[in-house]
Amino acid sequence: KAGVTQTPRYLIKTRGQQVTLSCSPISGHRSVSWYQQTPGQGLQFLFEYFSETQRNKGNFPGRFSGRQFSNSRSEMNVSTLELGDSALYLCASSPGGTSLGDEQFFGPGTRLTVL
Amino acid sequence: SQQGEEDPQALSIQEGENATMNCSYKTSINNLQWYRQNSGRGLVHLILIRSNEREKHSGRLRVTLDTSKKSSSLLITASRAADTASYFCATVPSNDYKLSFGAGTTVTVRA
Repeated sequence: KAGVTQTPRYLIKTRGQQVTLSCSPISGHRSVSWYQQTPGQGLQFLFEYFSETQRNKGNFPGRFSGRQFSNSRSEMNVSTLELGDSALYLCASSPGGTSLGDEQFFGPGTRLTVL
Repeated sequence: SQQGEEDPQALSIQEGENATMNCSYKTSINNLQWYRQNSGRGLVHLILIRSNEREKHSGRLRVTLDTSKKSSSLLITASRAADTASYFCATVPSNDYKLSFGAGTTVTVRA
């Protein structure tokens, strides 16, 4: 099976712009989670989608949003970018369903730099 | 906020030696997971231990869980250069889906 793929791998934006990141989960996985990783804050949970519904959300401002499509692919959007949004954004998929805290399969990440 | 805290923050060992790192957490959990990350890439799942388990093995990895002390340890035996990476523990609270990661332990294996 192909692994989790994320596009683009690298992105440079300027403050005030918006950005959309894409994630394709492992075939058959219905849950997609997004994480932000920075040197200062470490790995922080953004949100999780299951069957096109946001099931869980972390403590991030409303500028961070996401969605999931019927084929389980997911996108996250960050509007009005700030310098502090520079980070590695990781997407992870899992089979989902009723299991709490399944093993997560991570993609390679998108490195976002905000100038 | 991070639920888990790893100790030590960094570890340097000789190839062939064992590496041990610890994770402490704050609330009751459904399970605890360990992940490895090589140099700013995606994370790789290593092992999952449920709250009713005390020890688990996978190849050269041994994980223990003590729910009374809210702590876990990861032991890597007979380390190799390829084990050089950052290791993270992640907890799943009893009533939640999301993983909460610790700050990680950076392991360097010297040849």
